[in-house]
Amino acid sequence: KAGVTQTPRYLIKTRGQQVTLSCSPISGHRSVSWYQQTPGQGLQFLFEYFSETQRNKGNFPGRFSGRQFSNSRSEMNVSTLELGDSALYLCASSLGGVPPDTQYFGPGTRLTVL
Amino acid sequence: DQQVKQNSPSLSVQEGRISILNCDYTNSMFDYFLWYKKYPAEGPTFLISISSIKDKNEDGRFTVFLNKSAKHLSLHIVPSQPGDSAVYFCAARPAGSGNTGKLIFGQGTTLQVKP
Repeated sequence: KAGVTQTPRYLIKTRGQQVTLSCSPISGHRSVSWYQQTPGQGLQFLFEYFSETQRNKGNFPGRFSGRQFSNSRSEMNVSTLELGDSALYLCASSLGGVPPDTQYFGPGTRLTVL
Repeated sequence: DQQVKQNSPSLSVQEGRISILNCDYTNSMFDYFLWYKKYPAEGPTFLISISSIKDKNEDGRFTVFLNKSAKHLSLHIVPSQPGDSAVYFCAARPAGSGNTGKLIFGQGTTLQVKP
């Protein structure tokens, strides 16, 4: 079974621009969660989507948004980019059911904001 | 407020010996704890999990121990192999239906296994 895929793998943007990242979950998984990894803050939860609905949200500003499509693929959007948004963005998929509902991660998108 | 802490940034062990990675948590409202391994330029890979009602779970060379009274868990790798060299993350799953899809991660411990 194919794993979680993320595109693009690397991205360079400038301040003020916006960016869209894509995540394709493992086949059959209906939940997609997004995380931001930075050297200072570690891995932090952004939000989770299940059946095209946001079920949970972390403590990030409204510039960070996402959506999920009927095939469970998810996109994350960051508007008005800031230098501090430079990070590795990881998505993880799971069945979305009973605990522990193990999450499986993609390789990440490395975003650099100049 | 760091709810999940890995106080040792790095650990070095000899091949064949035991590796013990530690994790502390401050919130009792976690229902599962998980360990992930991460190589550079890759996403975290799931290793093993444990329910908060258990005190031990074993899978091959990996064993996780949970001490609820001390709010402490540890991952034992026996025997350690050079391919185990990676960053290890402890993660906790908050209980409750309002916390779906959310994991809280520690800062990670870099394990180096020397041949």
